[in-house]
Formats: sequence, C-alpha cells, structure tokens
Amino acid sequence: QVQLQESGPGLVKPSETLSLACAVSGGSISGYYWSWIRQPPGKGLEWIGNIHDSGRSNYNPSLKSRVTISVDTSKKQFSLRLSSVTSADTAVYYCATGGSSWYSSYWGQGTLVTVSS
Amino acid sequence: DIQMTQSPSSLSASVGDRVTITCRASQDISSSLAWYQQKPGKAPKLLLYAASRLESGVPSRFSGSGSGTDYTLTISTLQPEDFATYYCQQYYIPPLTFGGGTKVEIK
Repeated sequence: QVQLQESGPGLVKPSETLSLACAVSGGSISGYYWSWIRQPPGKGLEWIGNIHDSGRSNYNPSLKSRVTISVDTSKKQFSLRLSSVTSADTAVYYCATGGSSWYSSYWGQGTLVTVSS
Repeated sequence: DIQMTQSPSSLSASVGDRVTITCRASQDISSSLAWYQQKPGKAPKLLLYAASRLESGVPSRFSGSGSGTDYTLTISTLQPEDFATYYCQQYYIPPLTFGGGTKVEIK
C-alpha cells in the first residue's frame, strides 16, 4: 500500500517560491506517475501536473511558466516548485499517484500553504 | 483544455435514496474518467476509474456509466457515510481536469 506524505512551509510570502516535497513509502517510485493537485479553501480541485520517474512531465498550462515538478528516486520523493506566488496560490496542496495511470488512487493528506506577507 | 461540467452542483437526499450525478466533457474522452469522493478536511478518495471500474474496496452501491462525452455516477442506496462532495476527472489528455463538484447533503 503506497503512502504519501507532503512536507514544506505552510506560509510563503508573495513573489517568493513555494516548495513542497512528497515522500513515498510502501511501494516503488520507479515506473510510475506522480502528481500534484491543489484545492483553494472552499473551492474545487485543480491539477497542477505530473511526472514520470523517467523524467517525462506534464503541466497545467495555466501554471506552466511557474511550475517545476521533479523526482528524486534515491530519496523516494518528488517535489513541487511554484514561483512568483500570489494570494491566489493559497490552497491545500496534495501529492498523489495512480501508479502507471494518470488518475489518482493514492493521495497524501494534503498540506495548507498560505501566501501572505 | 477539456472542460468538465458536473451537475447538479449540490443536492439534498435521504438515506436510502438513489442518487445520480452527471459529468459532461467538452470533447470525447474515451471513458478516461474517474470519480472521487471527498469529505471535509480529507483528501479525495478514488471511487471509480475508466468510467465504470470500481476501485478495490469501494462498496458496490457505487456505479458508473457513460461513454464519449457523457458520464454518470450512481449511488444505488445512499448511506449516511456517503454524504460528501463528489468530483469527476478526465485523464484522457493533459491538462487533467476536474468537474466543479457535487455536494450531497442530508435532506
């Protein structure tokens, strides 16, 4: 059973870079897709992007210029970087995976990131 | 981007009711559709994928159908633990997109 755990600062200042990591346990990180999804308070879900351990990645065009998703197989974790954040980026950020599929069978518990000075 | 239109946005129902939620894609997504259930303060939980395939451990009262652009999630006999928000997601083409959600409330 794959388990995912997000980590990172809960507060980021406007114009700075949001950085989160997702630790993978209970399964292999190789051969699978790893995703980031966010949810602003009281709103719906927004897919940020995903990455395969081979390095292939897909990003939401609405965020593409600001987003980088990377994977570190040696640490069994994958990461999200979102630059030039504004208050609109305040959300619960989830890491997720569906293994070799793009839907998400396994989710982290989510971490609230607030953008505020 | 493929737009996912979910309806209704909310509904009130009683325990034992049959509930149907629909999701319409802006183009054919070839049954690459997942349904999730989310309870307050919790991560979404996968219910179905490939439009109609039940995820392991999900009760059989949940079912999905549809093809092309139109899909349906049905809860055959609503249970107390089913009161939640439900989302559809297409995973046919990136960017993967979600419907706006359907909140199922107690009547």
